[in-house]
This record gives sequence, C-alpha cells and structure tokens, in this order.
Amino acid sequence: RKEVEQDPGPFNVPEGATVAFNCTYSNSASQSFFWYRQDCRKEPKLLMSVYSSGNEDGRFTAQLNRASQYISLLIRDSKLSDSATYLCVVRTPFNKFYFGSGTKLNVKP
Amino acid sequence: NAGVTQTPKFRVLKTGQSMTLLCAQDMNHEYMYWYRQDPGMGLRLIHYSVGEGTTAKGEVPDGYNVSRLKKQNFLLGLESAAPSQTSVYFCASTHPVGRDNSYNEQFFGPGTRLTVL
Repeated sequence: RKEVEQDPGPFNVPEGATVAFNCTYSNSASQSFFWYRQDCRKEPKLLMSVYSSGNEDGRFTAQLNRASQYISLLIRDSKLSDSATYLCVVRTPFNKFYFGSGTKLNVKP
Repeated sequence: NAGVTQTPKFRVLKTGQSMTLLCAQDMNHEYMYWYRQDPGMGLRLIHYSVGEGTTAKGEVPDGYNVSRLKKQNFLLGLESAAPSQTSVYFCASTHPVGRDNSYNEQFFGPGTRLTVL
C-alpha cells in the first residue's frame, strides 16, 4: 500500500469554479502535512502547510482529519494560473517525507 | 542566496556508465534528500541525510550511493547506470523548525533530467 494516495485527475474546471482535492495517508504516526504545487517539468514548491485545526491562505483552504488520516485542499474562485499538479506530502518520524503521485488541475477560460 | 542547486541539469548515459549528481544548498540546512520522479509515480525517496557524515536509505535505494562529506553538499552516485534509472532527480533540503519539527518545509533544486540508453 502506498504511504500517500491521491486521485490523479485530471480535474478540468472553468475559471471561477471551486475545486477540492483529497489525499489519504497510511502512517498514523505522521507528524506534518503539506500541499505542494508542481508546474510542468519544474521542481515542487510549497503551497501551504496543513495544521490540525485547518488553515486558510487566500483562496486556498486545507483541512486535516487525523482520525481518518485524510487531508484536503479546497481552491475557490479558480484562476488560469492555478493549473498545475498538486502534491500531497506527509512527514513521518525521523524526517522522512512521502509524496502522493499528484492531482492534475486544468483551469479553462 | 542561491537556495538549492543541482549539477548537471541534463545528462545522457549509456548502460553501465557511472556518474555523480551534485546537490548544494546555502541555507545551512541539516537535512538533505534525493528523490526520483517518474511519470505517474510522484516523488520517491532514494536516500537522505540528517547531518554531515550521515546517510540513510529511502524507499528506492538500490543502484544508488550517496555521500555527505560537507554539510552543504549531498552527492548521488550511479555506479553502473541502467535504463530503469532514466528519470528526473530532485534534491531537497530542510531544517527542523518548531518544538516538534512540525513546520519544516522542503526546498527543492531545479532537477536533473537523466536518460540512460
């Protein structure tokens, strides 16, 4: 079983739409959670960390459910520039990071 | 402040050749990582280091060796390249932050695109 699982998509949405991505992780001892964004053939970059109480950064909202081992990312008012692959990342004890395979988002005009 | 740099950016090898990929960071980070990314597979951890002189295996270490002789550098070696090692290789670094290391973002290099024929 993979450490982190995501729906690969693609999610094709119009500009202005709200879209949600989900991610599950298998290691109950996981300590930190992140969403990274990766543009085509580029390195991943941090979008936001995910805190236990949930957190928001502009149009982006992240939620964590430790009991269900589930992380979500909500994007409101999608922009063309949001088109990318979104990677769910989990840090386990001893600072090992595990990446999901990514969810591809295409925002159309 | 260059962040994380990787050398080379591109390389083509023949089966059986050897090479070393260099990762350098100027952020004084303790932890460094090597990943490979294949289509549809996400990033998979090859080896990592939690400090100068230390290394450990990740998910897919076979066929690779690493060394961390200096804190700022992390080298990934392929002793005898195979076509299955064709991939994009990313290096990353991070540093413990917070009481339980909760907030340690990884910073990535731009990647090395390796093709093994």
